[in-house]
Amino acid sequence: SQQGEEDPQALSIQEGENATMNCSYKTSINNLQWYRQNSGRGLVHLILIRSNEREKHSGRLRVTLDTSKKSSSLLITASRAADTASYFCATENGAQKLVFGQGTRLTINP
Amino acid sequence: GAVVSQHPSWVICKSGTSVKIECRSLDFQATTMFWYRQFPKQSLMLMATSNEGSKATYEQGVEKDKFLINHASLTLSTLTVTSAHPEDSSFYICSARETSSTQYFGPGTRLTVL
Repeated sequence: SQQGEEDPQALSIQEGENATMNCSYKTSINNLQWYRQNSGRGLVHLILIRSNEREKHSGRLRVTLDTSKKSSSLLITASRAADTASYFCATENGAQKLVFGQGTRLTINP
Repeated sequence: GAVVSQHPSWVICKSGTSVKIECRSLDFQATTMFWYRQFPKQSLMLMATSNEGSKATYEQGVEKDKFLINHASLTLSTLTVTSAHPEDSSFYICSARETSSTQYFGPGTRLTVL
C-alpha cells in the first residue's frame, strides 16, 4: 500500500526559482529517500536521510525530515530546465522495502 | 554508481502470451531485487521481493502464478508475465540492492498487451 502522500501533485515554476516538495508518511521509518524520474524512464536516487537525521544537503538539494510530524521536504535551489521530472519520496521501514509516495510532477519553465 | 539494466526496454505482445523481463545488476552483486509496476502518471507499486536462490515474496494482491519471478543468480532476476491481458499493460521497473539501503533502479520495461 502507498504510505506517502506528496504535495503538491504538480508544480510549475520559472527557471532559477526554488522548488519545494513535501512528503508525509504514516508509520515509523528507518530512512526516507527521494528519487527523480524523467518521463518514461527509471528512477534516479537523489538523497537518503536517516530517521535520526534532521537535514541533509547534496549540491542544490536540501532535504529535511521531521519524524514527529512524519514529514519530509525536498528543496531544489536555483532550478534548471533539466530539473523537470517527477519526484518521489520513499520510506523504508524494518522490512527493508520501499514504499513510494504519489509523486510531484515538477515543470521548470525557461 | 551502480548500474542496473532491464531487457527488453519495451515489448508489445498479443493477449494470452507470456512475456519475460530480465533485470541485471551490471557491476555489483545484488542480494535482493525488487519488482515494481507503475501505471501512467501514478507511483510505483511494489509487486515482489526476491532473494537469490529463494522464492520471491509477493505483496498482497499480486498473483504469484501470474507474475513468475526467478532470481537465478546474484546478478539476474526475471519477471514473467504469464497469459498477459491488456490490463497487464504497464511500466515494469526492477531495482537491486547489495548491502546498503540504496536501491538502484533499472530503466524500466514498457509492456503493451494488445
